[in-house]
Amino acid sequence: DTAVSQTPKYLVTQMGNDKSIKCEQNLGHDTMYWYKQDSKKFLKIMFSYNNKELIINETVPNRFSPKSPDKAHLNLHINSLELGDSAVYFCASSLGANTEAFFGQGTRLTVV
Amino acid sequence: DQQVKQNSPSLSVQEGRISILNCDYTNSMFDYFLWYKKYPAEGPTFLISISSIKDKNEDGRFTVFLNKSAKHLSLHIVPSQPGDSAVYFCAASGYDYKLSFGAGTTVTVRA
Repeated sequence: DTAVSQTPKYLVTQMGNDKSIKCEQNLGHDTMYWYKQDSKKFLKIMFSYNNKELIINETVPNRFSPKSPDKAHLNLHINSLELGDSAVYFCASSLGANTEAFFGQGTRLTVV
Repeated sequence: DQQVKQNSPSLSVQEGRISILNCDYTNSMFDYFLWYKKYPAEGPTFLISISSIKDKNEDGRFTVFLNKSAKHLSLHIVPSQPGDSAVYFCAASGYDYKLSFGAGTTVTVRA
């Protein structure tokens, strides 16, 4: 069983569209994250949720809206997609602060 | 502002030899450090971690060393194997529910 799974793995869409990426973890973790890996390969935190509550929003444009319906799920919705949003987005989960995070396989988003 | 730096973008090592990856950090509030391994088209996989109260942690072929005064950590892989060829990321946390990552070092293990 995959510990952290996200769908879709690849997403190609046009500028201006709205899209969602889904993430689920079966590890029983309380904390979930979205990270973005840009073209320079840096991995940067976008959001962190602990027990369904948003605890980190790292100056991400408000076109990005995370939603956590329960502790096992953290979805990412992106409105009005722009070319600069093209990147690989990783979902992750952990037991809490200062514990290792487990990552999903990533979603490669390409905006054309 | 990159608070975690991996200054060597790549490392080539012969199979059976030691691989040494280095990482420096600037934020003195960091107290938990991790190494991740990443294959193409996959997510990062956790390798090993170390708390700031320790200076060494070992797990099989992997050992992480922490030098707090120098704000430096390193990962030793002994012996290196072909399956170790991947990108290795150093990461740090300051008990704030986020990991700050370095830019990664691509390791190539030659047969």
